[in-house]
Amino acid sequence: SQQGEEDPQALSIQEGENATMNCSYKTSINNLQWYRQNSGRGLVHLILIRSNEREKHSGRLRVTLDTSKKSSSLLITASRAADTASYFCATDGNAGGTSYGKLTFGQGTILTVHP
Amino acid sequence: EPEVTQTPSHQVTQMGQEVILRCVPISNHLYFYWYRQILGQKVEFLVSFYNNEISEKSEIFDDQFSVERPDGSNFTLKIRSTKLEDSAMYFCASGPTGGNNQPQHFGDGTRLSIL
Repeated sequence: SQQGEEDPQALSIQEGENATMNCSYKTSINNLQWYRQNSGRGLVHLILIRSNEREKHSGRLRVTLDTSKKSSSLLITASRAADTASYFCATDGNAGGTSYGKLTFGQGTILTVHP
Repeated sequence: EPEVTQTPSHQVTQMGQEVILRCVPISNHLYFYWYRQILGQKVEFLVSFYNNEISEKSEIFDDQFSVERPDGSNFTLKIRSTKLEDSAMYFCASGPTGGNNQPQHFGDGTRLSIL
């Protein structure tokens, strides 16, 4: 089954605006993570939210998790041109079972922040 | 901050040839992973490795693929007889624990081009 589908696929905003990206998934999870990928680079971990948490903050990032709707959102406030990147949600699934950390990624949202 | 390093950054290989992708995970991490990202597609899990054995693998990780931790620091992915469809970015990741709500740390990837 598909996991971690993000929307929108692409988002273009002006510096200073907020950016909101959404992610939906289909199976039970241990946690949901957001990663960022600059062009041609690896994935950088941004924030992890556990299945029993509803909201988490880290600097300008705010993540929410609604396990009843199997969805999450990532909000970047006061965006900067340097935030331009692809953003992926990833689920660490198999809630209640043995997990070796396998992550299932979504297609990602390409965020462009114009100066 | 410790990093996961991958070499080479770009590998060009003729179809049918063997290729070995190398990774040096973060030194005190115990779980190791390979993922791949075909151009324009989502990041896909290949395999997880713990205690010198494969703990989980995906359908992609068939008999042509193997992993090894030959010397306690390197973690390698071997593709025995490469196919055109193996062309992708290959990411190595490591984590202090498997799952257990810990983020994974990714390298910058090896771009594999099969001709």
